[in-house]
Amino acid sequence: QITLKESGPTLVKPTQTLTLTCTFSGFSLSTSAVSVAWIRQPPGKALEWLALNYWDDDKRYSPSLKSRLTITKDTSKNQVVLTMTNMDPVDTGTYYCAHSTEEDLFDVWGQGTLVTVSS
Amino acid sequence: QPVLTQPPSSSASPGESARLTCTLPSDINVGSYSIYWYQQKPGSPPRFLLYYYSDSHRGQGSGVPSRFSGSKDASANTGILLISGLQSEDEADYYCMIWPSIGVFGTGTKVTVL
Repeated sequence: QITLKESGPTLVKPTQTLTLTCTFSGFSLSTSAVSVAWIRQPPGKALEWLALNYWDDDKRYSPSLKSRLTITKDTSKNQVVLTMTNMDPVDTGTYYCAHSTEEDLFDVWGQGTLVTVSS
Repeated sequence: QPVLTQPPSSSASPGESARLTCTLPSDINVGSYSIYWYQQKPGSPPRFLLYYYSDSHRGQGSGVPSRFSGSKDASANTGILLISGLQSEDEADYYCMIWPSIGVFGTGTKVTVL
């Protein structure tokens, strides 16, 4: 059974850097064609894809946020970490991590973690 | 960054069918991509429903009923999610997505079961 869980601060101040950790089980990020992605959702709004880390350490980023995002994986710890710099109140929302295979993108999601950006 | 356009809302009575559309920008050919569909109920993460590329290349999420099906309308450059035999539990937000090497989600459709 594949599970993912997001963790990190619930409140960050404007201009600070957000660091979120996705801890997963039931699969290995060293297995071919497997990846983990981060997706966010502002309150009452649509989903927005942020970044993805492939099993071979290939990384993809949202073009509009690329300058602020870094995604890394720690295969030994079964974790994927997302950092987002220069946080702003518009970045407030629920942040999800999700598992993918080559065919089934985002087939299993974590429960999400709500991040509020406020001074 | 491209945006996939979905109607904000759709409603139908129990037992009827709901046809949800996902329109791609004119510079992105729907024939070139799989269309992914997700269901999200209030307070819950999205749930993967299915993907559709063609009748011979498609997949259903684990435990997703067969009354959820996908298709395309090439003339309208649109992906389609059909929910047959609508049930009250189908009331949710539905998002489409494509993967042109990055993730692009749709604007979402809220489905109401009357």
